[in-house]
Amino acid sequence: SQTIHQWPATLVQPVGSPLSLECTVEGTSNPNLYWYRQAAGRGLQLLFYSVGIGQISSEVPQNLSASRPQDRQFILSSKKLLLSDSGFYLCAWSNSGGVNTGELFFGEGSRLTVL
Amino acid sequence: DAKTTQPNSMESNEEEPVHLPCNHSTISGTDYIHWYRQLPSQGPEYVIHGLTSNVNNRMASLAIAEDRKSSTLILHRATLRDAAVYYCILTYFGNEKLTFGTGTRLTIIP
Repeated sequence: SQTIHQWPATLVQPVGSPLSLECTVEGTSNPNLYWYRQAAGRGLQLLFYSVGIGQISSEVPQNLSASRPQDRQFILSSKKLLLSDSGFYLCAWSNSGGVNTGELFFGEGSRLTVL
Repeated sequence: DAKTTQPNSMESNEEEPVHLPCNHSTISGTDYIHWYRQLPSQGPEYVIHGLTSNVNNRMASLAIAEDRKSSTLILHRATLRDAAVYYCILTYFGNEKLTFGTGTRLTIIP
């Protein structure tokens, strides 16, 4: 069966520090991968998605970046965190056919607090 | 992308059916209707999806209007664990991403 893991689950970082969140998927190949963010009391915002290794689509301009160094690994990074980067970050995957007729599966989430 | 409109919040009594409405008047013929829900402090989870016909699964039923401009998610017997934000989302053929709106916050009253 397929599983998705992301880490760390919780982190507190000072403003201006770097960030690295990792996500891996097991039990499938060539998945579509996604990073979403949910600020406190807000809706889910799609940040990045990837349909293959090295292929990253950015949905919103920001100081975050994403990379996909391996087929089932998706990394969210920042060189310098801002207070507004605080939130609940969610990694997700779907089959390569897309989400039109399939499901989007979410990880457990990473809660980031920037102080 | 075609948009959906949902009430911000709803309440329902435990062990009673719940009907969550969604309007999508600009839906196109190839758009699928998806429902996800998000429990507190968790990522969203898939509930159900459909195109034209009504759909049933172990979690819920999806009733789609004949003109497809609206749909209703039906929870047949609400439990406290069904308290969540429910999202109605449209997707189209070849779509690679899901765009979540604000959804409906469902409160279950014991």
